Amino acid sequence: QVHLQESGPGLVRPSETLSLVCSVSGYSISSGYYWTWVRQSPGKGLEWLGTINHIGTTYYNPPLKSRVTVSVDTAKNQFSLNMNSVTAEDTAVYYCARVVAVAGSFVDYWGQGALVSVSS
Amino acid sequence: DIQMTQSPSSLSASVGDRVTITCRASQTIDNCLNWYQQKPGKAPQLLIYGASTLHSGVPSTFSGSGSGTEYTLTISSLQPEDFATYFCQQSYNGATFGQGTKVEIK
Repeated sequence: QVHLQESGPGLVRPSETLSLVCSVSGYSISSGYYWTWVRQSPGKGLEWLGTINHIGTTYYNPPLKSRVTVSVDTAKNQFSLNMNSVTAEDTAVYYCARVVAVAGSFVDYWGQGALVSVSS
Repeated sequence: DIQMTQSPSSLSASVGDRVTITCRASQTIDNCLNWYQQKPGKAPQLLIYGASTLHSGVPSTFSGSGSGTEYTLTISSLQPEDFATYFCQQSYNGATFGQGTKVEIK
């Protein structure tokens, strides 16, 4: 069974960088699939942030591309999210997930989510 | 970017009812349309991918249809565990989600 777990600070100061790590168990990232970050807030709903594959090819949501970086560490079986210059609007539950590239693509496994608040 | 408009935003229904939720894309998405169910405090769970393919383990009371820009999720007989929020998602170009449909008990 594939399991994903987000970790990182639950509180980030405005203008600073939000950093989260997703630890994957039950599947080796280096074996394939794509790995993604999605966030959810009452104001914006579900919003795709960025996706990476096992060789480090990245895809970003255009409106956020200048602030978001997704990276992968296959040795640790983890992938990460960095979002700079955060504001209160970036307060959300952040999910990491596995993406299957079939019929377009879809998420088949999700982490439990990590609430990140942006506040001074 | 592709906008997804989901309707209705909420509905009230009874156990055993047939429920239909619609998702409209701002441009054709070639059946690259997924449906998810989300319960409070939990991550979304995949129901249907590719517009009409039922994900493993999902009850056959769920079905998806549509083409072009219009897609539908149907629950043929609503069960108590089906009261939740449902989201559509396009994967034709990047990924965008509908705003959700909350299915409540009547």
